[in-house]
Amino acid sequence: QQQVKQSPQSLIVQKGGISIINCAYENTAFDYFPWYQQFPGKGPALLIAIRPDVSEKKEGRFTISFNKSAKQFSLHIMDSQPGDSATYFCAATGRRALTFGSGTRLQVQP
Amino acid sequence: EPEVTQTPSHQVTQMGQEVILRCVPISNHLYFYWYRQILGQKVEFLVSFYNNEISEKSEIFDDQFSVERPDGSNFTLKIRSTKLEDSAMYFCATEGIGYGYTFGSGTRLTVV
Repeated sequence: QQQVKQSPQSLIVQKGGISIINCAYENTAFDYFPWYQQFPGKGPALLIAIRPDVSEKKEGRFTISFNKSAKQFSLHIMDSQPGDSATYFCAATGRRALTFGSGTRLQVQP
Repeated sequence: EPEVTQTPSHQVTQMGQEVILRCVPISNHLYFYWYRQILGQKVEFLVSFYNNEISEKSEIFDDQFSVERPDGSNFTLKIRSTKLEDSAMYFCATEGIGYGYTFGSGTRLTVV
């Protein structure tokens, strides 16, 4: 029940395209859903986060879509750039400890 | 931008030895965490620490692990008798009021 399932495992997108990463959760006590970006050799960095009282949040090229009834949320990266190439993790929490998804390795080809 | 500083960046240790990983949190943050990431796998929660005591821990955080904030600044993770399967990246994270973690760059622990 604590798991967060993330897909796809890897993703290749052309520059300027849209990258979409999906996550699903079971625990209805989760009330905060962040996305993290991780470059090799670095710690995860908070990208964008959402709470279940809204269905969408947009920050620049990054958008989270949230479907509370389906217990799913997704990250959309518009106009993907080679600099976006990284591993992306969704996460969820209802207290303080984060439960991470398994990660998606995104490669944006120039 | 404030950073969470972790030392060392890489530690190699013999199986059975004790290691101490160190973290300097962001100064006004109140919640401290340790996470680990085995190579190529997801980030896993180990322990959270608030008000000088453990507030939550995972099944991974067994009796071989301990945390403390010995001098009011450093936040440490000790592994008493390392095993091969402890080899991983260990990330410290700190949090201020409300949700919003800042992760350090991690310590790569290699147990040989």
